[in-house]
Amino acid sequence: GAVVSQHPSRVICKSGTSVKIECRSLDFQATTMFWYRQFPKQSLMLMATSNEGSKATYEQGVEKDKFLINHASLTLSTLTVTSAHPEDSSFYICSARSQASGANVLTFGAGSRLTVL
Amino acid sequence: DQQVKQNSPSLSVQEGRISILNCDYTNSMFDYFLWYKKYPAEGPTFLISISSIKDKNEDGRFTVFLNKSAKHLSLHIVPSQPGDSAVYFCAASSSLVFGAGTILRVKS
Repeated sequence: GAVVSQHPSRVICKSGTSVKIECRSLDFQATTMFWYRQFPKQSLMLMATSNEGSKATYEQGVEKDKFLINHASLTLSTLTVTSAHPEDSSFYICSARSQASGANVLTFGAGSRLTVL
Repeated sequence: DQQVKQNSPSLSVQEGRISILNCDYTNSMFDYFLWYKKYPAEGPTFLISISSIKDKNEDGRFTVFLNKSAKHLSLHIVPSQPGDSAVYFCAASSSLVFGAGTILRVKS
């Protein structure tokens, strides 16, 4: 089945530094990947749609200069949290669609827990 | 404005009994609904889905019911097992809109 790998699973950083999270589709190509953020006891909030070879599409209220998304290949999308602050601490999850799973089903990575001190 | 709502943050059920998780939506344009299951520190995994042209879809112990007039869907798990304990998310519109999730605890 389709597998999405996310790295790192946990990261702790100092305020003001930047953190990069990688999302890889291991056994399929993904022209589109999605980045979500989950606050404690809250829903998964779609942050942006990552498009291979073009600019990401950000949801309303998401700062594109704060959350840089790069989708340089058909199997890799990266999310960089720039100049991180404690309020950026959250669980970030990426996902992608594979043909095997069907058009409406997303395969999710295991998530990345970011803690900004 | 939440377009997909799961109003019960948690549910506790005895092993062997039925678990019913509910989800309401506001956007009548949604034509596809999905349920995902999530364990702590893991990403959600797809469980079952239903198209708006149907009112029921069954897969083993899992059945999803859709009531379009009420804009309501529910996930039934029977019999419930301890391994079903997880957070269940209702999603709509190709998995781009999620509810807040319901924590299911199945007691043995």
